[in-house]
Amino acid sequence: DTEVTQTPKHLVMGMTNKKSLKCEQHMGHRAMYWYKQKAKKPPELMFVYSYEKLSINESVPSRFSPECPNSSLLNLHLHALQPEDSALYLCASRVGLLSYNEQFFGPGTRLTVL
Amino acid sequence: KQEVTQIPAALSVPEGENLVLNCSFTDSAIYNLQWFRQDPGKGLTSLLLIQSSQREQTSGRLNASLDKSSGRSTLYIAASQPGDSATYLCAVSSNQGGKLIFGQGTELSVKP
Repeated sequence: DTEVTQTPKHLVMGMTNKKSLKCEQHMGHRAMYWYKQKAKKPPELMFVYSYEKLSINESVPSRFSPECPNSSLLNLHLHALQPEDSALYLCASRVGLLSYNEQFFGPGTRLTVL
Repeated sequence: KQEVTQIPAALSVPEGENLVLNCSFTDSAIYNLQWFRQDPGKGLTSLLLIQSSQREQTSGRLNASLDKSSGRSTLYIAASQPGDSATYLCAVSSNQGGKLIFGQGTELSVKP
């Protein structure tokens, strides 16, 4: 099973809402990633988790709060977002942080902030 | 700072044609290079991974080559089909926790 799943597929939220994105993989991977992708642009790294600990935060605003409750699950909590945060949010995983391994991506969550 | 460039930005070809997509990177100290396919509004599908010690990888009609010293990679697609229409992204892996640095992508359209 080489699948990364993400829920929901689509999300519409107001600027005062609190919502969460969920990512799951059952490949035994210990590195998990959040990326943000705007239309016609490549993905941009947001966060990296290794063994459930935050390893990299690419200076992401605090209105995005990641969480890795176990080795299979990665969440992204959203609060007080801005319309410019509307984007495709992609989750990815890899065997480990060592950069020799293939990175697998999920289908993404399309987020619209009104 | 590593920069990745893909040329061309868009490409339209008739069905059956063989084609080459190009990717270049500025810092040759990479661990590997990965080619992805992305359909509109969808996630990324990994096509091929080339380790820095390898010269090429093949999967079906796809062949990717890597020349690390010159900072170049190519993705060759043989006998293109309309189903190959998508955006193709190359990404190099840095030494920072497996961070991928992406090119801007090549949008491919294969006409029947």
